[in-house]
Amino acid sequence: GESVGLHLPTLSVQEGDNSIINCAYSNSASDYFIWYKQESGKGPQFIIDIRSNMDKRQGQRVTVLLNKTVKHLSLQIAATQPGDSAVYFCAERGGRGGGTASKLTFGTGTRLQVTL
Amino acid sequence: GAGVSQSPRYKVAKRGQDVALRCDPISGHVSLFWYQQALGQGPEFLTYFQNEAQLDKSGLPSDRFFAERPEGSVSTLKIQRTQQEDSAVYLCASSPTRDGKTYEQYFGPGTRLTVT
Repeated sequence: GESVGLHLPTLSVQEGDNSIINCAYSNSASDYFIWYKQESGKGPQFIIDIRSNMDKRQGQRVTVLLNKTVKHLSLQIAATQPGDSAVYFCAERGGRGGGTASKLTFGTGTRLQVTL
Repeated sequence: GAGVSQSPRYKVAKRGQDVALRCDPISGHVSLFWYQQALGQGPEFLTYFQNEAQLDKSGLPSDRFFAERPEGSVSTLKIQRTQQEDSAVYLCASSPTRDGKTYEQYFGPGTRLTVT
């Protein structure tokens, strides 16, 4: 799978602006996707999910968009706050490498930095 | 309510030592997963249990890795004869099962293993 070592893509946004984090997934047969937020020293925290029969889902301040044609997910965060600073991962159920269809396959993370 | 807990949070082992990492899933969650997360990367699947049955161990990197969940609740990941390349954060996740499928996975804080 893809890895970026210690140099994650970084998105820097000003407090109050909207953030858009993008992700490409690997398996066109994947039917369920999740966005996770991971802060330093903590485990991934569930943010929002979407099934493949939808193209948009909204939560509190977050929206996930799914484009199955190009295997692309995006996470939009409205009115970004300093507490949103973290690494964000998309994950697909199943994905590459075979094995159980229940496992999650994670995409390349994006570091979100919120500036004041 | 209690989330997924893991212990120890940090473990330093000398090369060649055996280690055991514990996971307490969310009560009632049928599915349990172990992932390995190297620094700066997304979690990588190791193994999957449904109740006490280990349904997939395709992600375990070698036969030095062994996982069990004897009573369908607490799980232990054991690594024998640790090597430096085993240094990583080991994450446990649990998930409810609906319609025979797993959906959102809830992660614990992880155990950071350092092999010296």
